[in-house]
Amino acid sequence: GAVVSQHPSWVICKSGTSVKIECRSLDFQATTMFWYRQFPKQSLMLMATSNEGSKATYEQGVEKDKFLINHASLTLSTLTVTSAHPEDSSFYICSARWVRDGTYEQYFGPGTRLTVT
Amino acid sequence: GENVEQHPSTLSVQEGDSAVIKCTYSDSASNYFPWYKQELGKRPQLIIDIRSNVGEKKDQRIAVTLNKTAKHFSLHITETQPEDSAVYFCAARFSGNTPLVFGKGTRLSVIA
Repeated sequence: GAVVSQHPSWVICKSGTSVKIECRSLDFQATTMFWYRQFPKQSLMLMATSNEGSKATYEQGVEKDKFLINHASLTLSTLTVTSAHPEDSSFYICSARWVRDGTYEQYFGPGTRLTVT
Repeated sequence: GENVEQHPSTLSVQEGDSAVIKCTYSDSASNYFPWYKQELGKRPQLIIDIRSNVGEKKDQRIAVTLNKTAKHFSLHITETQPEDSAVYFCAARFSGNTPLVFGKGTRLSVIA
């Protein structure tokens, strides 16, 4: 399958600071990347869809000014959590989409565990 | 929009037995149904998928069946092993350009 990397794998930051998470597709070009959030023992919650060269599409209830997404190239998307607060602590996972046999498939990055103190 | 229901939420089986997880979807136009396995603290891994033009697909001990009329699909794991213990998520997609919609997950425990 396709390889997606994510950095950092974990980060601890103080309340009020910003954190940037990078998602890279290593062996394919991803025109679309997705950002998910996952709380313990819960499912994947889609935050936004990021298309290369255009503005991200945010899901209802997700603050676009708080979760800044940039998809400047076909292999890199970033999520910046601005003015982080303890309730933003979560597991953030990116996913990149590629086409195989005429069908889109999604592969996930390893995730970033964010802890805001 | 698409809605995916997954059952059961937890499942315990004895090693060597079979495990079945079922999902239903709401949008009859959905055409792609992947299954992901997620171990604790790790990324979801695509383990098998099925497209709407196929009724069944098998890969060694794992199989997926799709009933388009009833709008449900199932994951079957035979001869379960302790390393199969994980959370399994089903998903569905309406069309090629839309995000996957995930079920809530099933925590499978295989007891040795």
